[in-house]
Amino acid sequence: DARVTQTPRDKVTEMGQEVTMRCQPILGHNTVFWYRQTMMQGLELLAYFRNRAPLDDSGMPKDRFSAEMPDATLATLKIQPSEPRDSAVYFCASGLGQGYTDTQYFGPGTRLTVL
Amino acid sequence: QKEVEQDPGPLSVPEGAIVSLNCTYSNSAFQYFMWYRQYSRKGPELLMYTYSSGNKEDGRFTAQVDKSSKYISLFIRDSQPSDSATYLCATSRGSEKLVFGKGTKLTVNP
Repeated sequence: DARVTQTPRDKVTEMGQEVTMRCQPILGHNTVFWYRQTMMQGLELLAYFRNRAPLDDSGMPKDRFSAEMPDATLATLKIQPSEPRDSAVYFCASGLGQGYTDTQYFGPGTRLTVL
Repeated sequence: QKEVEQDPGPLSVPEGAIVSLNCTYSNSAFQYFMWYRQYSRKGPELLMYTYSSGNKEDGRFTAQVDKSSKYISLFIRDSQPSDSATYLCATSRGSEKLVFGKGTKLTVNP
């Protein structure tokens, strides 16, 4: 049963610390999405990769967030320095196709708390 | 005005009831419409996918899109306790990102 995996599942950190979240997309998928979910804003797209190339990071605060795909089996989302307003659940999703409307398969999320 | 509006609920129904979940959207250029189901502490999973207007049925689930009124609906027949989850609507123009509603929390009581 192929699925997207994310680590860590939960992360508690202090303001100013660096946070790295990892995602392993489903083998063979060529698109990766990073989302952030909060009660206030709902689910928002942070970054989108296709064939490991970043195509859309317009939803990401550029000064502190960065997203990369070092290889086809690993996507990372980094926050440096972290702030309390970054507290949210971060989801990675992967898909197979050309874009946003292909079926996206979500991982279980990383629940981040910044104190 | 947000691009997609969804009543957060919560919605509580008895087992066997027909459930109606709804969203409205503001951009008439949206062509793709989806419903995701999200269980507690899990990621969303795609439940229904429709393109343009019309109905689509899959088992106990029916998705309906009315582009004239910019209204999308999900109906669940013979609801089960296992349907208890948060339901997210999402839409897109195709060339741009999915825009999600904030979700409606549904509880089906045995």
